[in-house]
Amino acid sequence: DAGVIQSPRHEVTEMGQEVTLRCKPISGHDYLFWYRQTMMRGLELLIYFNNNVPIDDSGMPEDRFSAKMPNASFSTLKIQPSEPRDSAVYFCASRNRGVETQYFGPGTRLLVL
Amino acid sequence: AQSVTQPDIHITVSEGASLELRCNYSYGATPYLFWYVQSPGQGLQLLLKYFSGDTLVQGIKGFEAEFKRSQSSFNLRKPSVHWSDAAEYFCAVGPEGGSQGNLIFGKGTKLSVKP
Repeated sequence: DAGVIQSPRHEVTEMGQEVTLRCKPISGHDYLFWYRQTMMRGLELLIYFNNNVPIDDSGMPEDRFSAKMPNASFSTLKIQPSEPRDSAVYFCASRNRGVETQYFGPGTRLLVL
Repeated sequence: AQSVTQPDIHITVSEGASLELRCNYSYGATPYLFWYVQSPGQGLQLLLKYFSGDTLVQGIKGFEAEFKRSQSSFNLRKPSVHWSDAAEYFCAVGPEGGSQGNLIFGKGTKLSVKP
């Protein structure tokens, strides 16, 4: 299995621009999670999906952030407009129903100038 | 509220020395417990997990952890540290049942290894 795939691996953008992060979960996994990691706040859950449906988005910082999962093999996290404080590493993870282990992607390192 | 505490932000050990990373949790029911490792610039990799049964669990890379219910702890250990173990380690707790919910992660402990 290829594991969780994220793209891009690195993104540098200017404040005010739209940023789209992409994730392909492990085939057959029912759950997908988006996390943000910063030095100050550690690893924070932003949102997670079950069978493509958002279950808990209470961690999404504000309306500038949105996430979608149009099908079982693809999810996006969008930031519009981006701000310097959004600079972080964004991880996607997936798991199977009945199995609590989450498998993480390599992350997208975002820098907003 | 559910929480995970890793009291040590940064630990330095000499290569070949033993290691213990601490993890305490607060959870209303029997938890699922995990240790993940993150090498620089990489994602999180599962080291080991505890769901039930034997309270001493073995993981990859020679790591083990012991679940102590009375102390609400799940400390990670390794008898002899290798330079390649330098990384950040995260303890996490999840709901029993495997049906819903998310993992709660600690803030992490960064391990440095001296030659």
